[in-house]
Amino acid sequence: NAGVMQNPRHLVRRRGQEARLRCSPMKGHSHVYWYRQLPEEGLKFMVYLQKENIIDESGMPKERFSAEFPKEGPSILRIQQVVRGDSAAYFCASSPYQGQGETQYFGPGTRLLVL
Amino acid sequence: AQSVTQLDSHVSVSEGTPVLLRCNYSSSYSPSLFWYVQHPNKGLQLLLKYTSAATLVKGINGFEAEFKKSETSFHLTKPSAHMSDAAEYFCVVSDDSWGKLQFGAGTQVVVTP
Repeated sequence: NAGVMQNPRHLVRRRGQEARLRCSPMKGHSHVYWYRQLPEEGLKFMVYLQKENIIDESGMPKERFSAEFPKEGPSILRIQQVVRGDSAAYFCASSPYQGQGETQYFGPGTRLLVL
Repeated sequence: AQSVTQLDSHVSVSEGTPVLLRCNYSSSYSPSLFWYVQHPNKGLQLLLKYTSAATLVKGINGFEAEFKKSETSFHLTKPSAHMSDAAEYFCVVSDDSWGKLQFGAGTQVVVTP
């Protein structure tokens, strides 16, 4: 069973461009979480999705950021008009079940650098 | 509301000596607690988790942690450090029905020969 896959692993964008980050959960997992890790900080929750539904987006910046998890295909985190402050590592995690105490399995992350 | 505080940002140990990483949490409810490890430029790997069963939790690679409700602590220990233990360690709390995780700031562990 392949682990959580994220691509690209590294992404370089100039200010104002769009960044698309992809996450394929583990097989059989229908719950996806996105976290952001700023330099020298711990991970911070961004959004929780189930297939075709955004369940909790309380950690998402109000503007420029969006996420989806379609019926088919990977989950996508989209950042429009990137700024230097968006430079960070973005991790996705998947889980077979929802709820407190359920183990989340993390992908290797996408490291975004905004020039 | 939930939060977690890792009391040491850096810990340096000699190979073969014990490791102690300290973590305190606050939670409005009975939390679940986790320790994850992150090696450089890699994803996070679960070491162990507490979910209201036994208070002493054993994990992978010889790590264990003890949940102490009276002290709101969940410290991670290992009797004998190995060079491969050099990494960043995150204490994590969850008391959210959606499973949302709240991470500590991390403790960087350095192991010297």
